Amino acid sequence: QKEVEQNSGPLSVPEGAIASLNCTYSDRGSQSFFWYRQYSGKSPELIMFIYSNGDKEDGRFTAQLNKASQYVSLLIRDSQPSDSATYLCAVIFGRGGADGLTFGKGTHLIIQP
Amino acid sequence: NAGVTQTPKFQVLKTGQSMTLQCAQDMNHNSMYWYRQDPGMGLRLIYYSASEGTTDKGEVPNGYNVSRLNKREFSLRLESAAPSQTSVYFCASSESYNTEAFFGQGTRLTVV
Repeated sequence: QKEVEQNSGPLSVPEGAIASLNCTYSDRGSQSFFWYRQYSGKSPELIMFIYSNGDKEDGRFTAQLNKASQYVSLLIRDSQPSDSATYLCAVIFGRGGADGLTFGKGTHLIIQP
Repeated sequence: NAGVTQTPKFQVLKTGQSMTLQCAQDMNHNSMYWYRQDPGMGLRLIYYSASEGTTDKGEVPNGYNVSRLNKREFSLRLESAAPSQTSVYFCASSESYNTEAFFGQGTRLTVV
């Protein structure tokens, strides 16, 4: 059974602080992991992807992957009000395709000025 | 640089009517997807296409048909719309089955 689990929130973080978003997935064999940001009424927008264990940094964003624990996270440093959105974790299961790209239900993040 | 383009953006249908949602991508991607997004349910895959002429059912295919006539275009058809198909529909594409997907702007469909 393919499952991608996220805490729905809302997660409230003060402006300038670090926001930490977490995601767990059901298949230890998964190889590809993605974080998307979705503003209300808009389409999902890719923020980061990560394929290897460890950290991957891109500007204020850091993705962390721990395949042994089946856990992927997204850190947002120096949070800004414009970061307020729903963040979707996505995992490609198996060999992808119709059984592949699966999304969690998202975490609603609120950055408080 | 359009990316993934969906039409229409909004649509209201009466129960039993049919319609086709259009999607086109200009990134030369092989894989294309149709998702629906409902409150509390997240994004759920309706159909997937790995290449021209091939399609696979996703998690929620009932009531839908798709067509991948060429590499650029992937259409979704509702033959007899039902209120349960009220949703936001997203088309997406990716270079291959295991790479990141890029989304169109969505179609907000209401069936009354």
